[in-house]
Amino acid sequence: QVQLVESGGGVVQPGGSLRLSCAASGFTFSRSGMHWVRQAPGKGLEWVAYIRYDGSTEYYADSVKGRFTISRDNSKNTVYLHTSSLRLEDTATYYCAKWSSGWDCWGQGTLVTVSS
Amino acid sequence: QSVLTQPPSVSAAPGQKVSISCSGGTSNIGNYYISWYQQLPGTAPKLLIYENNKRPSGIPDRFSGSKSGTSATLGITGLQTGDEADYYCGTWDSSLNTGVFGGGTKLTVL
Repeated sequence: QVQLVESGGGVVQPGGSLRLSCAASGFTFSRSGMHWVRQAPGKGLEWVAYIRYDGSTEYYADSVKGRFTISRDNSKNTVYLHTSSLRLEDTATYYCAKWSSGWDCWGQGTLVTVSS
Repeated sequence: QSVLTQPPSVSAAPGQKVSISCSGGTSNIGNYYISWYQQLPGTAPKLLIYENNKRPSGIPDRFSGSKSGTSATLGITGLQTGDEADYYCGTWDSSLNTGVFGGGTKLTVL
């Protein structure tokens, strides 16, 4: 079945970096656009980033532009979110999501906590 | 401040029906399909409605969607206590070149 599994979250100090990973299975990953969406504790969903199926196009939310980079390795069926210059307000659960006429599959999320 | 506007909360009794609205603009709902997501407490969001009014397999027909112009509505009939969750609308925005979500609506089944 279609599955997305995130990893790489943790506790990091302000200004630090983390690389989040999302391993995909059960569908043709190399033909699917992929997104990252985050949710701060007790808050709503916030779209973060998108990468086209072939990696040729990326889009970012203004709140993370210049600090986060989305990438993918189709040979490993994995999408990444490289985060840097982390701020307190980046504390959230980060979900990867597959796009097919809607975000039709979500991972379980990985928690990033930015704290001094 | 979310690009798409939803009511913060709605409530109704078991067995009743409820509607959740989602309002946007011409660069998002007006030009793209809307989708709806259910997030049960402590879990990841799940796709409920895609392409305005289609249900993925396994989603009961108690859930329905509609769109008119720059607004959309999620309808839920025959409410059950298990429907208590946060509901989000989402789509793409061509002016921002970003995905956009509503702020979420908390459904309480009294």
